[in-house]
Amino acid sequence: DTEVTQTPKHLVMGMTNKKSLKCEQHMGHRAMYWYKQKAKKPPELMFVYSYEKLSINESVPSRFSPECPNSSLLNLHLHALQPEDSALYLCASSQETSVLTEQFFGPGTRLTVL
Amino acid sequence: AQKVTQAQTEISVVEKEDVTLDCVYETRDTTYYLFWYKQPPSGELVFLIRRNSFDEQNEISGRYSWNFQKSTSSFNFTITASQVVDSAVYFCALSEADTGRRALTFGSGTRLQVQP
Repeated sequence: DTEVTQTPKHLVMGMTNKKSLKCEQHMGHRAMYWYKQKAKKPPELMFVYSYEKLSINESVPSRFSPECPNSSLLNLHLHALQPEDSALYLCASSQETSVLTEQFFGPGTRLTVL
Repeated sequence: AQKVTQAQTEISVVEKEDVTLDCVYETRDTTYYLFWYKQPPSGELVFLIRRNSFDEQNEISGRYSWNFQKSTSSFNFTITASQVVDSAVYFCALSEADTGRRALTFGSGTRLQVQP
């Protein structure tokens, strides 16, 4: 199984809502990532988890709250978002070894904040 | 700080033409990795290739080939005999190993349109 799955595929939420994005992989990868991608832009790193511990937070606003409940799952909790947070949110995973390996990406969640 | 430049914003070719996508990178690390990803309209990023900084051998995979030149800090990607299914945005990316920062820095992407 070389797949990263993400749910939901699409999400529309108001600025006062609380929602969560989910990501799952069963490749035994111990590094997982959240990226944000605006239209016609490259993905931008938000968070990196290594062995279920947060290792990188790219100064992301606290209205985005990541969580890694176990080695296969990665969540992104959303609260009080702004319309400018509308974007494609991509999850990725990779092996955590001394040699950098490729990241495998999920299909993304397209988020619209009204 | 690392940086990846893809100067070609958009390229349009006719099917069966060869096309080269340019990628130039900047890094202070001596150990780093370069990647190419394809993003079709569906949105999912598809991994194409990974190269480490010590391996300058060119690589060919079917219609795809990559030319890595450390002397010019370039990692160019050529599609031979392009097909309509090659239409996508292609991203070059860099990951530095010396700092232990396991994150990808992407170029701005090149949108390739292959016309039938």
